[in-house]
Amino acid sequence: GENVEQHPSTLSVQEGDSAVIKCTYSDSASNYFPWYKQELGKGPQLIIDIRSNVGEKKDQRIAVTLNKTAKHFSLHITETQPEDSAVYFCAASRLGGGATNKLIFGTGTLLAVQP
Amino acid sequence: DGGITQSPKYLFRKEGQNVTLSCEQNLNHDAMYWYRQDPGQGLRLIYYSQIVNDFQKGDIAEGYSVSREKKESFPLTVTSAQKNPTAFYLCASSPPGIDTQYFGPGTRLTVL
Repeated sequence: GENVEQHPSTLSVQEGDSAVIKCTYSDSASNYFPWYKQELGKGPQLIIDIRSNVGEKKDQRIAVTLNKTAKHFSLHITETQPEDSAVYFCAASRLGGGATNKLIFGTGTLLAVQP
Repeated sequence: DGGITQSPKYLFRKEGQNVTLSCEQNLNHDAMYWYRQDPGQGLRLIYYSQIVNDFQKGDIAEGYSVSREKKESFPLTVTSAQKNPTAFYLCASSPPGIDTQYFGPGTRLTVL
C-alpha cells in the first residue's frame, strides 16, 4: 500500500544551525506534499506545502524540495530558533478527478533546538 | 472567530462505554476528516466526508462511527468495539476545491 517514510525520528541542533528532515513516498502518482508542525498537546499546523509541478518552494526560513524521480522530498529550516522545537510531519497525497485528498503521513521528527 | 473546534480537550471513559467526540468548523469547508494519533506514529485516517450526508471509511474505521448531518459538524463516536481507544484524536477540514487540510486542536481520549 501507500507509504511515507520519514527520517530522522529525532534531530537535535544548536540554535542558528540548519535542520533537514527527509521523506520518501511509495506512490508515484502522489502530487501534493504538505509539511506540518505539531507542538505538544496541539493539533498539527501546516507550515509549507509543495505540488509536483515545482521542485522547490521557500517561505522565509523554511524551504521544501521535491525530487519526483527519486520520490523524496525534504524540509529545510535555516537559522533555527528555540521556538522551532516541535514534531514535524511530512505527508503525501494524490489528487485528481475529484478524489478526496487522502493524506498519508510520515511517522514524525522530533526537532530540538538547543539555545 | 473562524476555525475548527474540538471538544472536549480531555475525555475519560470507562471500558465498555461509547463516547462521542465533537468537531465543528465555521470555515465553510466541504470536506472533513478524523485522524487518530498514537505515540511514535503518524496520523491514521479513521473516516472522512466530502459532503453532507456522505462519508467513507478510512484505514482504521473498525470500532468507530460518524455522521455528517450538517456541513459544519462531523462528530466521531468511539464505540465499545474499538479495542484500543486511548489516543489523541484530530479533526481536519478542507476548503472547496483546495487540497490543503487544516487541523483542530485535538481531543485526548483515555479509557480507564
